Formats: sequence, C-alpha cells, structure tokens
Amino acid sequence: AQSVTQLGSHVSVSEGALVLLRCNYSSSVPPYLFWYVQYPNQGLQLLLKYTTGATLVKGINGFEAEFKKSETSFHLTKPSAHMSDAAEYFCAVSDAGTASKLTFGTGTRLQVTL
Amino acid sequence: DTAVSQTPKYLVTQMGNDKSIKCEQNLGHDTMYWYKQDSKKFLKIMFSYNNKELIINETVPNRFSPKSPDKAHLNLHINSLELGDSAVYFCASSQGILGTGEGGYTFGSGTRLTVV
Repeated sequence: AQSVTQLGSHVSVSEGALVLLRCNYSSSVPPYLFWYVQYPNQGLQLLLKYTTGATLVKGINGFEAEFKKSETSFHLTKPSAHMSDAAEYFCAVSDAGTASKLTFGTGTRLQVTL
Repeated sequence: DTAVSQTPKYLVTQMGNDKSIKCEQNLGHDTMYWYKQDSKKFLKIMFSYNNKELIINETVPNRFSPKSPDKAHLNLHINSLELGDSAVYFCASSQGILGTGEGGYTFGSGTRLTVV
C-alpha cells in the first residue's frame, strides 16, 4: 500500500520568499510522484511529475521538485513566491509497476503575503 | 477546447434521488477515472477504466455505478443519494494506466454535489 504525507496543512510565505512544500511517501515498489495545484473552485492542474530519469524535475510556473529515494521525499520548491501562487498543493504517488490510480496527500494550502 | 469536461458543474438534490454526472475527454486517452474530494479536500480514487473496462473499484458503495460507453466518456450514476455523498467529484484521464504521458493524469474542473 502507498501513502503520502504532506507536512504542514498551511504554509505562509512573503512575496519573493522561497516556497518549500514538503512531501514524503511510502511505497513498497518504485513510485511515480506528482505535484498538482488546485486554485479555488477549480480542478487540479499538473505542476510536475517524476517517473524515471533525472531526479530533479522542473515544472510549470517556476516550480521544481527533487526525488530523493534515500529520504523517500519529493519536496516542491520555488525560489520566489508570487501572489498568484496562493492555492492548494497536492502531492501524489502511484505505483510504477501497475499504477492505475493516484494516492494523494492531504494537501498544503499556500498563502502568499505582501 | 476543454480537455476533460464534466457536466453539470453544480448539482443540488434531495436525499433519496438518483443523479448522473457526465465526463468527456478529447485527449485521445484510453484510461479514465473518478475521484472524490471531501469537505476537507482529501482526494480519493473511486473508479478506473482502461479501454472501457473497469480496472479499479475502490470499495465504493454499489449505489455508485460508472459507465463507459466508449474510451472518451465515463459517466457516474448515483442511486439513492445520501447526505454523505456531498462532495466534489473529479473526472480524470491518462494515456495508459501509468500516467507517464506528458500531461500525467489530466483532471476535469469537478462537479460539486450537494445533497440536502
């Protein structure tokens, strides 16, 4: 069984500051890892994903994440926060072997202040 | 052109009623899904269909019945609605079951179901 833990249900940063959203996973098989963003009353938009290859993954809107197998982590970062980054962020894992579904973390709400 | 579209966007109905939510994708994907997001924003898989065949049914009450008439459509019918069914239901699609395509798993904008 797989699971995802997102530390911090609510993260607040100042505009221009570093964004760090934490994600740790548990999986008995090699995982595929995803970050999605959800703006209020909207669907989920893919930010980035790790499947194979380079462990540092760059996504849209200046976000990136690094897959660290030894730490079972896939933290999301952005060097400089914008007001428009305020949203709910979800980390998700799937089983690289059989997949067929995403197992989501509980989400982190990012607040960006002036 | 919307990639994964769901109708209706909002649905308010009384307990005991039967309702359907429709989903269509124009991405040419062969796998479609239903996810449920509860009031605490937790997302959980309900069903997965690959080439119109059910491959995941995640302990969902049998009041929920998905139907995939073709690879581009996955509808969700709910019988005898209960208060606890109130949630946002998301349809998603992917090419193959692994989600390794460029868009990963592509989600619709959701259907907010309120049972009163």
